[in-house]
Amino acid sequence: DAGVIQSPRHEVTEMGQEVTLRCKPISGHNSLFWYRQTMMRGLELLIYFNNNVPIDDSGMPEDRFSAKMPNASFSTLKIQPSEPRDSAVYFCASSFQGPGNQPQHFGDGTRLSIL
Amino acid sequence: GESVGLHLPTLSVQEGDNSIINCAYSNSASDYFIWYKQESGKGPQFIIDIRSNMDKRQGQRVTVLLNKTVKHLSLQIAATQPGDSAVYFCAEKERPGGSYIPTFGRGTSLIVHP
Repeated sequence: DAGVIQSPRHEVTEMGQEVTLRCKPISGHNSLFWYRQTMMRGLELLIYFNNNVPIDDSGMPEDRFSAKMPNASFSTLKIQPSEPRDSAVYFCASSFQGPGNQPQHFGDGTRLSIL
Repeated sequence: GESVGLHLPTLSVQEGDNSIINCAYSNSASDYFIWYKQESGKGPQFIIDIRSNMDKRQGQRVTVLLNKTVKHLSLQIAATQPGDSAVYFCAEKERPGGSYIPTFGRGTSLIVHP
């Protein structure tokens, strides 16, 4: 079974550059989540899509961050311009939301380093 | 043990021992709880879940216990193995409605010594 696929696995870039992270959710899942993980703050939810529509973006730190989901099988998280404090591991997760609760399935993340 | 939102504790055990990882959740209205395992360099992996109408659920070598009276969740791992070494997160569903958006704790690091 193909799980959630994220790319790239690692990204190192200089501050001020645009960064684009990509995610392919599990086929058939209708919800997609972007998280950021740091030692200081743990796992933070950035944004959540349901049926390709952004439902809750209250966790997006600032306007430099944007996320899109043009179709059910692809999402991007973009940071422009990037700053050193954006360095973290970014996870994408997907799940099927319907009657009853279902757990999320996570990708292996993108480790982002902004110099 | 762990509380959602606080620092990362560590539990060290010997191979073959049973492990108990604790979690205190914050919202008495939470109705769904999940345990995840995160190994180094990987994303959190679903282990087991439990709904608020249950107080115990068993999986393969794992058991989750839910005490709603004191808002406490625990994960028991039987015959702990070196491959169980990881950070374990509990998560609770806090938000109302049908959407499942969990709140994650900071995690407990489990170290298994051979």
